[in-house]
Amino acid sequence: DTGVSQDPRHKITKRGQNVTFRCDPISEHNRLYWYRQTLGQGPEFLTYFQNEAQLEKSRLLSDRFSAERPKGSFSTLEIQRTEQGDSAMYLCASSLAGLSGANVLTFGAGSRLTVL
Amino acid sequence: KQEVTQIPAALSVPEGENLVLNCSFTDSAIYNLQWFRQDPGKGLTSLLLIQSSQREQTSGRLNASLDKSSGRSTLYIAASQPGDSATYLCAVYGGATNKLIFGTGTLLAVQP
Repeated sequence: DTGVSQDPRHKITKRGQNVTFRCDPISEHNRLYWYRQTLGQGPEFLTYFQNEAQLEKSRLLSDRFSAERPKGSFSTLEIQRTEQGDSAMYLCASSLAGLSGANVLTFGAGSRLTVL
Repeated sequence: KQEVTQIPAALSVPEGENLVLNCSFTDSAIYNLQWFRQDPGKGLTSLLLIQSSQREQTSGRLNASLDKSSGRSTLYIAASQPGDSATYLCAVYGGATNKLIFGTGTLLAVQP
C-alpha cells in the first residue's frame, strides 16, 4: 500500500468553473477526512466519512461544495462555480477508527487549487 | 470548542541551536496529539504521535512532551540543521470531536 493518494496534485482553473478532487485512502481505513489549508494557516476541517456515510460537515463547506464516498472506498470533493477565495490546498486523510476512540490520521500530499 | 494555539508563530535560529516549539489546547479531553512538519507547498509529514496516556515521544533529534492536564505540548529539536527549516504544526484529536484540530503552525528557519 502506498498511503493516501490525491489527484490532481495541482489544478488551475478560471473563476466560475467546477473542479473535482479525488482521494484514495489506505485500503483498510474506514474513515476519510477532507481538510482545507490556506496560506499561512493550519488545516481546517471540512468533512469526514465513516465508510460511505458522511458523518460531519463543517460550516466552511458551503452549498457549492459536495463530497462523496461511494462504496466506502475513494472519495471525491467537488467545488462548483469556483471563486478566488477557494484557492487553497485541499488535504485528504484516512484512518482506522477503533472502539477505543483513538484515531491516527494519515495525510495525502494534497491537491493545490488556484482560481484565477 | 477545542482551540489549538502555537507559539511562536515564527522562529529563526542559527544552525546547531536547540529549540522548543510550544502548543497549547483548551480542551484537555484528548485521545492523542500529533506534531507534523510541512515544507512550502507540500503536504503534511507526521513527526511524532503522543497518546493521551503518554508523557513524551522521541524520534532522533526530536522529542515531544505532553501535559494533558495543563493543555500543553512542546516539541524539542536538538542541534538544529538548515534542513529542519519548515512549518511545524501541532494537532489534537478527540474529546468531543472526531477530527484533528490544528494550530496555525510555527515557521522555523535555521540559518547556516
